[in-house]
Amino acid sequence: GNSVTQMEGPVTLSEEAFLTINCTYTATGYPSLFWYVQYPGEGLQLLLKATKADDKGSNKGFEATYRKETTSFHLEKGSVQVSDSAVYFCALSDPTYTRTQGGSEKLVFGKGTKLTVNP
Amino acid sequence: GAVVSQHPSWVICKSGTSVKIECRSLDFQATTMFWYRQFPKQSLMLMATSNEGSKATYEQGVEKDKFLINHASLTLSTLTVTSAHPEDSSFYICSARDSQRGVYEQYFGPGTRLTVT
Repeated sequence: GNSVTQMEGPVTLSEEAFLTINCTYTATGYPSLFWYVQYPGEGLQLLLKATKADDKGSNKGFEATYRKETTSFHLEKGSVQVSDSAVYFCALSDPTYTRTQGGSEKLVFGKGTKLTVNP
Repeated sequence: GAVVSQHPSWVICKSGTSVKIECRSLDFQATTMFWYRQFPKQSLMLMATSNEGSKATYEQGVEKDKFLINHASLTLSTLTVTSAHPEDSSFYICSARDSQRGVYEQYFGPGTRLTVT
C-alpha cells in the first residue's frame, strides 16, 4: 500500500544551521506530496507541496523537490531560526482513493520529525 | 482565514461513557471534514471522511458504531466515541476542506486529547 517514511527525530540544531529532513514514499500511481508543520499547541499547517515529478515546493525559506526516481521529497532550509521549532510531517495524497461525494483526497502521513532550534 | 477549531482540547472520561468532540470551520464552509487519530510518536491515521448531509466513510478497521460521526452543517462535524475504553485514549485531530479552494487543501484543527480511565 501507500506509505511515507521520514527520518526519526528529534532533530536539534543551532540557529542558522542547515536543515534536512528526509522523506521517502511508496505509492502506486502519481501522488501529490506535502510537508505539514505543527507548532506547539496548534493544528497542522500546510508548509509546501508538489504535485508532479521535478516540481519544487517552497515557502518560508523551506524547499522540497519531488524526486520520482528516488521516490523522495526531502525538506531543506538553509538557515533555521528558533521560530522553526515544530514537528514536521511529510504526507502524500493517495491517488487510488476513490472520490466520494463532494470530492476528497486521502492523505497518508509520516510519523513526524520534531525539530528544536536553539539560539 | 481558514481556521478550524476543536472542542474540547482535552477530556478525561470514565470507561463505558461516551464523549463527543466537535470540529468547526470558523471562516469557511466545509463540505468535507476528516477525522484522524494519532498515537504517541506515530503518524496521523485517517479514521473517516465526513461529508455534509451524508453518511461518513470509514477506513478499514474503524468501527463505525463505536466512532459516530455527524456532519450536520457546513461548519460542524462531531465525533462521538461511544462506550469508551482505555484503548481509545488518543489524540484526535480533524481537518476540513474548503469547498471553494483546491481539492488538496485541508485545514487542521489543534486536536483533542482523550484519556479514558
